[in-house]
Amino acid sequence: AQSVTQPDIHITVSEGASLELRCNYSYGATPYLFWYVQSPGQGLQLLLKYFSGDTLVQGIKGFEAEFKRSQSSFNLRKPSVHWSDAAEYFCAVGARDTGRRALTFGSGTRLQVQP
Amino acid sequence: DAGVIQSPRHEVTEMGQEVTLRCKPISGHDYLFWYRQTMMRGLELLIYFNNNVPIDDSGMPEDRFSAKMPNASFSTLKIQPSEPRDSAVYFCASSWGQLNTEAFFGQGTRLTVV
Repeated sequence: AQSVTQPDIHITVSEGASLELRCNYSYGATPYLFWYVQSPGQGLQLLLKYFSGDTLVQGIKGFEAEFKRSQSSFNLRKPSVHWSDAAEYFCAVGARDTGRRALTFGSGTRLQVQP
Repeated sequence: DAGVIQSPRHEVTEMGQEVTLRCKPISGHDYLFWYRQTMMRGLELLIYFNNNVPIDDSGMPEDRFSAKMPNASFSTLKIQPSEPRDSAVYFCASSWGQLNTEAFFGQGTRLTVV
């Protein structure tokens, strides 16, 4: 069965600082990988996804993520955080070869941005 | 497209009452998912449909929960009778295509059972 681990429950960074959110997955092969963001009271919005090819993926709002097969990781990064980035971030995996269609989500990382 | 539409946005009900949550997926999407979000368990899949047929309902907590999709543009999640431990945010999401593409989420229904 596939699973996702987000080791950091809560992270605080200063506005303008760089950000890295960690995501590790467990899966028999290379899964499809996703990062979503959830603002308070809102649904989940897709930031970026990895299906194949270039392991560095660019997303919306200046985010990027790098797939590292050897580490089973898909960490999310942003070079300079804005106050509006404060939200909860979810990493998710999707099966590539089992036919199971639903995504499996990590427990989330809550990002707080200090002025 | 208006995106995935869920109603109501908020629901407060008394223990023992029936609760029905509604979802309209994005037009043309052939997969529909119901997720539940709680502080303790995070985001967990309850059930998903393909072309209106339930494919995997292993996440449905117990017989008090039921979900239907009578047509491609509408789905319901019903809890009868409701219990305080059912309090959570329930999300509906939809997707399309053969590959495991991203799911598009609604804004959720916050359910409080008192």
